Amino acid sequence: EAQVTQNPRYLITVTGKKLTVTCSQNMNHEYMSWYRQDPGLGLRQIYYSMNVEVTDKGDVPEGYKVSRKEKRNFPLILESPSPNQTSLYFCASSLSFGHEQYFGPGTRLTVT
Amino acid sequence: GIQVEQSPPDLILQEGANSTLRCNFSDSVNNLQWFHQNPWGQLINLFYIPSGTKQNGRLSATTVATERYSLLYISSSQATDSGVYFCAVVPSGTYKYIFGTGTRLKVLA
Repeated sequence: EAQVTQNPRYLITVTGKKLTVTCSQNMNHEYMSWYRQDPGLGLRQIYYSMNVEVTDKGDVPEGYKVSRKEKRNFPLILESPSPNQTSLYFCASSLSFGHEQYFGPGTRLTVT
Repeated sequence: GIQVEQSPPDLILQEGANSTLRCNFSDSVNNLQWFHQNPWGQLINLFYIPSGTKQNGRLSATTVATERYSLLYISSSQATDSGVYFCAVVPSGTYKYIFGTGTRLKVLA
């Protein structure tokens, strides 16, 4: 089944404790992206990757890192999480930039 | 940066009614997509429509890029249409997606 998977789905952590949210797609897609969704603000793009080893900042990259070492995986890294990073995070992928995006199920992160 | 505004912010319909959702954007774009987020949070791509008109079943969309707006039409609405509808644009010269704040639709049986 074609899909985008994210892990974990739910995470409660404390300020400053490094964490990684994984994202994997099995559709051989080139373009991958991370978004965060906050009430009243819609979705905002954090980082995107046009293809392996090529990543760039979205609108709200501060406090996040990404890497794209393999086509299928695009992990989101929070080196020192803070409470303002409490949010719902979505990973998405598409065949290439501009094509239909497929979204993962979301990861709800709470930083206390 | 580009502003993306959606209207109305909230909409309540009876089953079987038709509706039109609007997405205005303040600058030229290369790409525009519509998404539906169901009440369980799942995001589904509805249309990739940088210009012109497309139809998929009871849904259709029209984008007039020169006038900087897009419309999403829902005909004969059903309870399963409930959720939030987002438009997202890609400003010309970039590879970033900018989302509107959405239209929350509730269809009553």
